[in-house]
Amino acid sequence: GAVVSQHPSWVICKSGTSVKIECRSLDFQATTMFWYRQFPKQSLMLMATSNEGSKATYEQGVEKDKFLINHASLTLSTLTVTSAHPEDSSFYICSARGTGRTIYFGEGSWLTVV
Amino acid sequence: QQQVKQSPQSLIVQKGGISIINCAYENTAFDYFPWYQQFPGKGPALLIAIRPDVSEKKEGRFTISFNKSAKQFSLHIMDSQPGDSATYFCAAGGSTLGRLYFGRGTQLTVWP
Repeated sequence: GAVVSQHPSWVICKSGTSVKIECRSLDFQATTMFWYRQFPKQSLMLMATSNEGSKATYEQGVEKDKFLINHASLTLSTLTVTSAHPEDSSFYICSARGTGRTIYFGEGSWLTVV
Repeated sequence: QQQVKQSPQSLIVQKGGISIINCAYENTAFDYFPWYQQFPGKGPALLIAIRPDVSEKKEGRFTISFNKSAKQFSLHIMDSQPGDSATYFCAAGGSTLGRLYFGRGTQLTVWP
């Protein structure tokens, strides 16, 4: 299947700093990308949907000023966690969809805020 | 409101047995039903998907059964192996909806 790459796989940052996670579709053009957060042993929680060149649409309860999403090209979307706090520590996963309906996921990024 | 309801939450199956996971939905706008497999610490991987114009789809040991009138679909894993031990998520989406709606997941353990 199609490949979606996420980087970094894991990151540790100090409280109050910002961290950026990249999501790239390697072999297809992603018209839409999605960002999820997953807590241990729980389902995927959609944070936001982004279409290339447009502002992201955030789910209710997700702070758009804290979780900045940029979808600047058809192969790259970024999630920036600003002024990170320990409660932001989580597993963040992106997914991407091309022209069809199939949605492929990245490998996820573990964020630990200390 | 949970758009997609998945059961059971956990499942233990003996090696060689059949694993069955069920999902149900209400929104008739859904017309795409994928299943994802997730190993600990990894992102979900697309396993198999079905559209409502067919009642069954098989890929290797994995089969999706779809009942449009009942708004239910299920994943059957034949000859279950220890390597199948993972969390399985059903999902539903539609061409007009954009996003996928996920079930809560089923943690499958296949013991030798």
